[in-house]
Amino acid sequence: DGGITQSPKYLFRKEGQNVTLSCEQNLNHDAMYWYRQDPGQGLRLIYYSQIVNDFQKGDIAEGYSVSREKKESFPLTVTSAQKNPTAFYLCASNQGVGELFFGEGSRLTVL
Amino acid sequence: GENVEQHPSTLSVQEGDSAVIKCTYSDSASNYFPWYKQELGKGPQLIIDIRSNVGEKKDQRIAVTLNKTAKHFSLHITETQPEDSAVYFCAATGFITNAGKSTFGDGTTLTVKP
Repeated sequence: DGGITQSPKYLFRKEGQNVTLSCEQNLNHDAMYWYRQDPGQGLRLIYYSQIVNDFQKGDIAEGYSVSREKKESFPLTVTSAQKNPTAFYLCASNQGVGELFFGEGSRLTVL
Repeated sequence: GENVEQHPSTLSVQEGDSAVIKCTYSDSASNYFPWYKQELGKGPQLIIDIRSNVGEKKDQRIAVTLNKTAKHFSLHITETQPEDSAVYFCAATGFITNAGKSTFGDGTTLTVKP
């Protein structure tokens, strides 16, 4: 089954801690994306990568970091510099200008 | 950059009625307009899309129309069913001016009452 796998589904973080969200795809897509979703708001782009070993900031990159060492993997680290990290995080991938394939999401809560 | 506005934010219809959701975009270079459906606690899934060289596209009970001159596009769902209840997002995507990234509207929560 081809698709996007995100883990963990739920994550709790204490203030001051870094956490890393995993995203793996087996669709052979070049481009991968991280979005943040808050209640009543659309999807806001955090980071995106169009090719291995390259990535760009999206609209709300502050307090986040990513890496793209393999085509299949695009992990997102939420650092302690992110002041309001409680949100639903979605990873997606696509090929060219076309349909985005999303994972099931990771819900991060700061305790 | 691209800006997408989506209306209404909530929509409640009776089963069997039609539902219409509208979006406007700002970047005339955007050329791909998908619609996604998101069920509670899950990731969005594409339900229909349209490219800039087409004015209308239909897939069973779902249709999308695009007016490039006015820079707006709409989702039409006919004969609504309770399983259509979800959050719907529109998006605008441009390869040249936006590097293939999608800009999303804020979403419409559709409730279909049995």
